[in-house]
Amino acid sequence: AQRVTQPEKLLSVFKGAPVELKCNYSYSGSPELFWYVQYSRQRLQLLLRHISRESIKGFTADLNKGETSFHLKKPFAQEEDSAMYYCALRTTGFQKLVFGTGTRLLVSP
Amino acid sequence: GAGVSQSPSNKVTEKGKDVELRCDPISGHTALYWYRQRLGQGLEFLIYFQGNSAPDKSGLPSDRFSAERTGESVSTLTIQRTQQEDSAVYLCASSLPYGQPQHFGDGTRLSIL
Repeated sequence: AQRVTQPEKLLSVFKGAPVELKCNYSYSGSPELFWYVQYSRQRLQLLLRHISRESIKGFTADLNKGETSFHLKKPFAQEEDSAMYYCALRTTGFQKLVFGTGTRLLVSP
Repeated sequence: GAGVSQSPSNKVTEKGKDVELRCDPISGHTALYWYRQRLGQGLEFLIYFQGNSAPDKSGLPSDRFSAERTGESVSTLTIQRTQQEDSAVYLCASSLPYGQPQHFGDGTRLSIL
């Protein structure tokens, strides 16, 4: 079965420090990977998807099929990045998303 | 409205009662999804509707759970004979068809006493 693992429940960094939120998946086919973010008192929203290969709010993520990873990175964290981050996987032929358990990012001044 | 709308935002009910949760998708979105999020867990897929196709019910945890959608509009998720383990946030999402990004509602927080 498909599975998404986010090993860190909480990641705490200081403003200006680099950030890497880890995401590993298990799926034997060609996956589509996403990062969703939920800011305090807001709804879950899409941050980025691997097929777009874009940078949103300074965040990037590269799909590494060899390591089955899709880590989210930002070189210099900002306080407004504090939020809950979820990695999600969609498999070929299916529309549903399989989510990890999420990582709370806390950026301190 | 501009986004996915869910009601009620909160629901507290006694074990054994039936509950009905509602989702209004974004206008024009033919795909609609229901997910469940238990405390400290990730989102768990329940059911997916796409236009007039047969829904993907593979995520429904038991026959106490059912969902309906009329055309490409409102959907209702019904839980019969609720149990305490049904306590969770129930999230609805909608999207344009064929792999387009899903837009989520605020969810319904369901508490079973």
